[in-house]
Amino acid sequence: DAKTTQPNSMESNEEEPVHLPCNHSTISGTDYIHWYRQLPSQGPEYVIHGLTSNVNNRMASLAIAEDRKSSTLILHRATLRDAAVYYCILRGAVSGNTPLVFGKGTRLSVIA
Amino acid sequence: GAVVSQHPSRVICKSGTSVKIECRSLDFQATTMFWYRQFPKQSLMLMATSNEGSKATYEQGVEKDKFLINHASLTLSTLTVTSAHPEDSSFYICSARDPTRLMDGYTFGSGTRLTVV
Repeated sequence: DAKTTQPNSMESNEEEPVHLPCNHSTISGTDYIHWYRQLPSQGPEYVIHGLTSNVNNRMASLAIAEDRKSSTLILHRATLRDAAVYYCILRGAVSGNTPLVFGKGTRLSVIA
Repeated sequence: GAVVSQHPSRVICKSGTSVKIECRSLDFQATTMFWYRQFPKQSLMLMATSNEGSKATYEQGVEKDKFLINHASLTLSTLTVTSAHPEDSSFYICSARDPTRLMDGYTFGSGTRLTVV
């Protein structure tokens, strides 16, 4: 799987939007962009994924650059419960049942 | 969505003893499960891939005789840390994916914090 680059940490005020960037300049045409997050002392949880078009779900939005070399996870209104480490992971379309490989992710702190 | 249950959530054991951690898929069948280890302030590191009915596949540097994996049914995988030492203290996490709900991504257990004293 191609490599991703994320900032080590970010900070946000509560109830404000948060934009978490991810660079993946070596992404291939069939790689999906996945986001997971890990709350303190818990296992990771799936957030969202996309291929080319922007995606929205109940947790977040995913904005994918036109050249697909970067993407941004958007939390529309950060809450204290959103404080977590966010991982951006690329997965090939034919990855099958292979494990996720985690990078260092971005540690998001939310300030009340 | 798919649910993976992991037990115990926390365990303290004496050095030299063995500890078993269970990972169950509650509402789906998992022919494959994954075991990760996470040290404080670090990312998850894949330890092994557990395959139902066959031997587990271990990542480089992970001792298969120390970390015994058994995947005897389609809903249960166990990780046994044998002859545990303080350096084995870590957060262990299992993961699986519902083959009927691939678009939902991977599901993770809540983790087991092992402390070896």
